Amino acid sequence: DSGVTQTPKHLITATGQRVTLRCSPRSGDLSVYWYQQSLDQGLQFLIQYYNGEERAKGNILERFSAQQFPDLHSELNLSSLELGDSALYFCASSVTPSLYNEQFFGPGTRLTVL
Amino acid sequence: DAKTTQPPSMDCAEGRAANLPCNHSTISGNEYVYWYRQIHSQGPQYIIHGLKNNETNEMASLIITEDRKSSTLILPHATLRDTAVYYCIVRVTILNRDDKIIFGKGTRLHILP
Repeated sequence: DSGVTQTPKHLITATGQRVTLRCSPRSGDLSVYWYQQSLDQGLQFLIQYYNGEERAKGNILERFSAQQFPDLHSELNLSSLELGDSALYFCASSVTPSLYNEQFFGPGTRLTVL
Repeated sequence: DAKTTQPPSMDCAEGRAANLPCNHSTISGNEYVYWYRQIHSQGPQYIIHGLKNNETNEMASLIITEDRKSSTLILPHATLRDTAVYYCIVRVTILNRDDKIIFGKGTRLHILP
């Protein structure tokens, strides 16, 4: 157990819909990262927040957005969903804004778009 | 952005040392070598990282060549629970705003009973 929690574990929805994925970082971690993992693309970095501010941006689509709240939990919003958005979405956290120093990953949310 | 090359898969007998290679011939002087692993459908797990010197922790050892163009992750006594995809990544620790983290496809390690 990494200490990072994600909800929901599974999500099934239809094309065109909007969903929100939630992440609670480990206690004391200020930085939150979001990743997408699909079968054909591997693990892709989407976005990072540090202490409420966007810190780094990866391959995040314009239909996706994220935010980090004052209590440090984060939400990833996915809108106008397409079949290709079906994937595992991971959240990770770390103490510092340094992206690679021991990020702790959550169990993931499996999104299925039908 | 230094790219890494890893073999797509490897087998190792249980109880033996698993040696996972990674080539990073274009690594820059300020880039670290990081290793993560991902057990089926779970979140990736940090293993170890290093800059120049060899590193060891409770999970593994990291051997970096003197020219830093390649490295080897060593799991000293592999168990069935070490079956996973292992990712080698080279990056600076603090990214610029528009940097992209690339995990690549990694090496799928099979531990054989």
